[in-house]
Formats: sequence, structure tokens, C-alpha cells
Amino acid sequence: DAGVIQSPRHEVTEMGQEVTLRCKPISGHNSLFWYRQTMMRGLELLIYFNNNVPIDDSGMPEDRFSAKMPNASFSTLKIQPSEPRDSAVYFCASSLDLYNEQFFGPGTRLTVL
Amino acid sequence: AQSVTQLDSHVSVSEGTPVLLRCNYSSSYSPSLFWYVQHPNKGLQLLLKYTSAATLVKGINGFEAEFKKSETSFHLTKPSAHMSDAAEYFCVVRDSNYQLIWGAGTKLIIKP
Repeated sequence: DAGVIQSPRHEVTEMGQEVTLRCKPISGHNSLFWYRQTMMRGLELLIYFNNNVPIDDSGMPEDRFSAKMPNASFSTLKIQPSEPRDSAVYFCASSLDLYNEQFFGPGTRLTVL
Repeated sequence: AQSVTQLDSHVSVSEGTPVLLRCNYSSSYSPSLFWYVQHPNKGLQLLLKYTSAATLVKGINGFEAEFKKSETSFHLTKPSAHMSDAAEYFCVVRDSNYQLIWGAGTKLIIKP
């Protein structure tokens, strides 16, 4: 298996632009998680899905952030409009279910100028 | 509520000497505990997990951890450090809502 796939690996954009991050979980995994990592705040859970349904989005910082999972093999995290303080590494992780360990993708390094 | 504390933000050891990364947790029930590793500019990789089976858990790359309920600890050890072990290590507890509660991380520095 290729593992969790994220794209793009790096994104540089200007303040105010829309940013879309993509994630393909490991085939057969039913749970998907979006995290953000910064030096200041460490690793933060933003939102997670189980069987394509959002379970908890309390970690999403603002209404500018939204996430979707239209099917079992694809999820997006969108920031609109983006701001410099959104600069971070965004990780997607998947697991067989909510009880099992999570497998992480390589991350997307987002820089908002 | 569950929580996890990594007692050292940085640990520095010489190559070939033992590694000890300390982790304490609080949980109102028998927890599931994990150690993850993150190499520079890389994603997070699972090292090992404890899920109420054997209290001594062996992981990848020669690491192991021992679950001690009386001490509420889950320290990570390795008998002999290698330069490739230099990374950041995260202790994680799974809470009653199945979310992972992450420690702040310990940076392991290996001196030649």
C-alpha cells in the first residue's frame, strides 16, 4: 500500500487566496483525521471523520476552514480566505477505525504570504 | 479527562548509550498509549502501542516501552542510540472519545 497520500507537498500562496489541501487515506481505513502542526502550538487535531461523516470539528479554528469527505478515498481541507497565521504543516492521518492507531501522510507545508 | 506529559523537551545522549524518554499520563480508565516519531521535515510514524496486553511493548528500530499503571508512566527506551534516532518523539494517549491526546514532544539529540 502507498500509505496516506497528501497533495500538494508544498503550497505557497498570498493572503486572501483560497487553499485546498487533499488527502487520500489508506484503502480500507474508515477513519480520517486532519491535523495542523506549528512550532508555537505543536500538533492540533482539526477535524475527524468516521465512515465519511464528520464526527468532531471542534478543532477547526475558524469558519474560514472547512473539510469534506465525499467518499471513502478522498478528503479535502479548504481555507478561504487564507491568512499568514494559517502557515503550518497540515497532516492527514487514517486508521482502520476510531480504535486503532493512526497512519500519517507526509504533510503539506503551507506558507501564506 | 485524559492527559499526557512528556517530562523533557530535549534529551541528549551519546551514540551507543541508552535512551530514556519519559512520559506520564492521566486517565480514568485503562488507556491505550502510543509513541510516535517524527524525523526532521517528515511525517509522523508509529513506533509502538500499548492496548492492555503485555505491559512491555516492543516497537520498531529497537525501541520498547513499559506500561506501569502504579506510576502512570509509559517511558520509551532503547539500549543503544544510533545517529539515525535523532528525531522528535511524541507520547500519545487515546481518550474516551477515541481522540488522540498528544504530548508536547521530546527532541532526541544524538552526539557522535
